[in-house]
Amino acid sequence: QKEVEQNSGPLSVPEGAIASLNCTYSDRVSQSFFWYRQYSGKSPELIMSIYSNGDKEDGRFTAQLNKASQYVSLLIRDSQPSDSATYLCAVNILAGGTSYGKLTFGQGTILTVHP
Amino acid sequence: KAGVTQTPRYLIKTRGQQVTLSCSPISGHRSVSWYQQTPGQGLQFLFEYFSETQRNKGNFPGRFSGRQFSNSRSEMNVSTLELGDSALYLCASSFRGDTEAFFGQGTRLTVV
Repeated sequence: QKEVEQNSGPLSVPEGAIASLNCTYSDRVSQSFFWYRQYSGKSPELIMSIYSNGDKEDGRFTAQLNKASQYVSLLIRDSQPSDSATYLCAVNILAGGTSYGKLTFGQGTILTVHP
Repeated sequence: KAGVTQTPRYLIKTRGQQVTLSCSPISGHRSVSWYQQTPGQGLQFLFEYFSETQRNKGNFPGRFSGRQFSNSRSEMNVSTLELGDSALYLCASSFRGDTEAFFGQGTRLTVV
């Protein structure tokens, strides 16, 4: 089992719809969770961080964390064509040693928002 | 506030050569992490430095090394380059290593 897994893509949604991106992780004691957006040929850009159970909203983005189920998700409301990118889930895995500075990434989900 | 700066942006090297990449973190950030990104393996952690000390290391051969200076700037070095080292190398800075991390633009290394 991979340490961080994302729902397989690619994901295609119409403009204005809600895009739902999911991620599961293997380490029960992980504390820090992040979503990054990466446009083709560019570096990852941090869009959300979440540290405690529940929802965290920032504009059109909502991150949801359920530590009991080891699950984190990202909802993008009113999706725009400019949201088309690869979305990366990243977890600060604690198990197996020091976690400092080490983010473990999922394989990414390619999102396409079509007009 | 200036972001994370990586230099150079692009690099072409020959097998067997060595290369040094540089990363200047966001002002006030003391943790610098390095990652390798390839289409097949995704983003993989190389190592992390904090206050000039390596605190964490990924599963890469000893040809990959790094260091951090007193001003938090960091360099990574790859010796005896192999074709498989062709990748996008990214550095990320954060305040203390377990908080939000911000990436630089990356250095695209091509080994021929």
